[in-house]
Amino acid sequence: AQSVTQPDIHITVSEGASLELRCNYSYGATPYLFWYVQSPGQGLQLLLKYFSGDTLVQGIKGFEAEFKRSQSSFNLRKPSVHWSDAAEYFCAVAPTGTASKLTFGTGTRLQVTL
Amino acid sequence: DTEVTQTPKHLVMGMTNKKSLKCEQHMGHRAMYWYKQKAKKPPELMFVYSYEKLSINESVPSRFSPECPNSSLLNLHLHALQPEDSALYLCASSHAKSALLPSGRDFNEQFFGPGTRLTVL
Repeated sequence: AQSVTQPDIHITVSEGASLELRCNYSYGATPYLFWYVQSPGQGLQLLLKYFSGDTLVQGIKGFEAEFKRSQSSFNLRKPSVHWSDAAEYFCAVAPTGTASKLTFGTGTRLQVTL
Repeated sequence: DTEVTQTPKHLVMGMTNKKSLKCEQHMGHRAMYWYKQKAKKPPELMFVYSYEKLSINESVPSRFSPECPNSSLLNLHLHALQPEDSALYLCASSHAKSALLPSGRDFNEQFFGPGTRLTVL
């Protein structure tokens, strides 16, 4: 069965600092990979996705993620964090062929200090 | 219109009540989803409808009854819930038929609504 691990439950960074959120997946083949963001009490917004091709994926709000097959990782990065980036971030996977059955990681809560 | 709307935003109900959650989208999507999200946990898939037919039921208790009356609407009927059912209920929609990409692979992005915060007393 596929699974997603986000080892960092909570991360605090200063505004303007760089950010990297970790995500590792377990799956027999290369799945579809996603990063979602959820502000408090809100639904999820897709930041970026990977399904093939270039392993460095650009998303919205200045985020990017790099797929590393050898490490089964899909880490999310942002060079300079803004206070509005404070939220919960979920990494998710879906089997190749469909994105209907998303499996989410446990999430990383990002706190931004001014 | 790339929005999924959910009503109500908040709902408080007793264990003997019957209530319904509503989800609506006008993006022409033919797949719709219900997720349950407990506090500080990731969303968990409950149901998937494809072309108005239930295609996935993740072993959800029968006190949750989904309904898809048309391609734009998705309901979740609630009856005899337990306090542990208190959670944020998220609706999502996507294309049902795989959108073929130049790479030959397919992808159906899910668009999420803001959720209904349910409290069962």
